[in-house]
Amino acid sequence: KAGVTQTPRYLIKTRGQQVTLSCSPISGHRSVSWYQQTPGQGLQFLFEYFSETQRNKGNFPGRFSGRQFSNSRSEMNVSTLELGDSALYLCASSLAGITEAFFGQGTRLTVV
Amino acid sequence: AQKITQTQPGMFVQEKEAVTLDCTYDTSDQSYGLFWYKQPSSGEMIFLIYQGSYDEQNATEGRYSLNFQKARKSANLVISASQLGDSAMYFCAMRETIGGFNAGKSTFGDGTTLTVKP
Repeated sequence: KAGVTQTPRYLIKTRGQQVTLSCSPISGHRSVSWYQQTPGQGLQFLFEYFSETQRNKGNFPGRFSGRQFSNSRSEMNVSTLELGDSALYLCASSLAGITEAFFGQGTRLTVV
Repeated sequence: AQKITQTQPGMFVQEKEAVTLDCTYDTSDQSYGLFWYKQPSSGEMIFLIYQGSYDEQNATEGRYSLNFQKARKSANLVISASQLGDSAMYFCAMRETIGGFNAGKSTFGDGTTLTVKP
């Protein structure tokens, strides 16, 4: 059974640009959630999607957005990138609810 | 609001010995899930073990066991027979339900860096 796949693995962008990250969950998993990990702030929840609907959102500015497609694949978009957006972005998939969530390898974004 | 506290920023253990990583949590939910993840330097978050709030028995997965004390709101991870490959950051996390719906938001602790010495 394939795990969670995140693409790309590494990304370098310039301030002001926008970026789209992709996450393909484990087959059969309908819940996808996104996290930002930085050395200073640790792991912070961005948002969660279930059956194409955003059910939960963390405390991030509107520049951070996401969506989920009918096949459960999810994308995360960050517009007008800032230096502080440099982080490891992790995606997790789960069947639903409070069951275990499995993470992808992450996308390491560097904003210069 | 949910909160996870890991009070040990760093831990050392001798190879083949057991080690306990502490985790306490705070929630007003009756139904929740507790998890431990391992994050090696590569960055990937590896799921280790899960404990549901209604599970009466402590969860075990191979060399990993979760010492769940609900009244004390603690969920400590015990790694038996440590191996060099166990050196990594370990995160305790909790998943919550919201308004009766199942939600996928996990709250993470700050992590504990475990170093296994040969």
